[in-house]
Amino acid sequence: SYELTQPPSVSVSPGQTATITCSGDKLGNKYACWYQKKPGQSPLLVIYQDKKRPSGIPERFSGSNSGNTATLTISGTQGMDEADYYCQAWDSSTVVFGGGTKLTVL
Amino acid sequence: QVQLVQSGAEVKKPGASVKVSCQASGYTFTRYPMHWVRQAPGQGLEWMGWINTVKGNTKYSQKVQDRVTITRDTSASTAYMELRSLRSEDTAIYYCAREDLDSFDIWGQGTMVTVSS
Repeated sequence: SYELTQPPSVSVSPGQTATITCSGDKLGNKYACWYQKKPGQSPLLVIYQDKKRPSGIPERFSGSNSGNTATLTISGTQGMDEADYYCQAWDSSTVVFGGGTKLTVL
Repeated sequence: QVQLVQSGAEVKKPGASVKVSCQASGYTFTRYPMHWVRQAPGQGLEWMGWINTVKGNTKYSQKVQDRVTITRDTSASTAYMELRSLRSEDTAIYYCAREDLDSFDIWGQGTMVTVSS
């Protein structure tokens, strides 16, 4: 079955750029999207179709996808961005999530 | 506003079944597929399956396909997820989510299902 691999954790200082990767076989040939998940809240879509931002998502969130890796970049990271982030893609009419990355803003 | 409202928390014994509902409002229910995703304590997001809200056909994850059934009632703009033969490992928050452009843009508030003897 198809797998998406994320680093378990990423740390960043406030105001710096956070980069979270998501790896999967030929992932660049699929659409990738990203969700932010905070404790006690439902997941929030922050990037869809590789690089598009839903209405209301700050411009500091951006995405890319090429080769075997999709990347979520958060520029000028703020304390409110501390959360778990999950990538997601489709494979053979089923949905696959990455294992999640805990972003810590130190 | 566009929203998905789920049924309340459930406590079940091992071997029992649970059925969670998800009522959509603020949009045309049949324009978007509906998915179910769960998150066990301390674990990541796990996709369970989806339903074509127009035709009613479904697709499930291999992990739960033998125990799960997703249905919908278009007249009530509601989707349902039934999970049978519950085990302690099924203890999780269950979410419904609307699919649009290959991603999930609207999520329900979540339903906690606890499986305990």
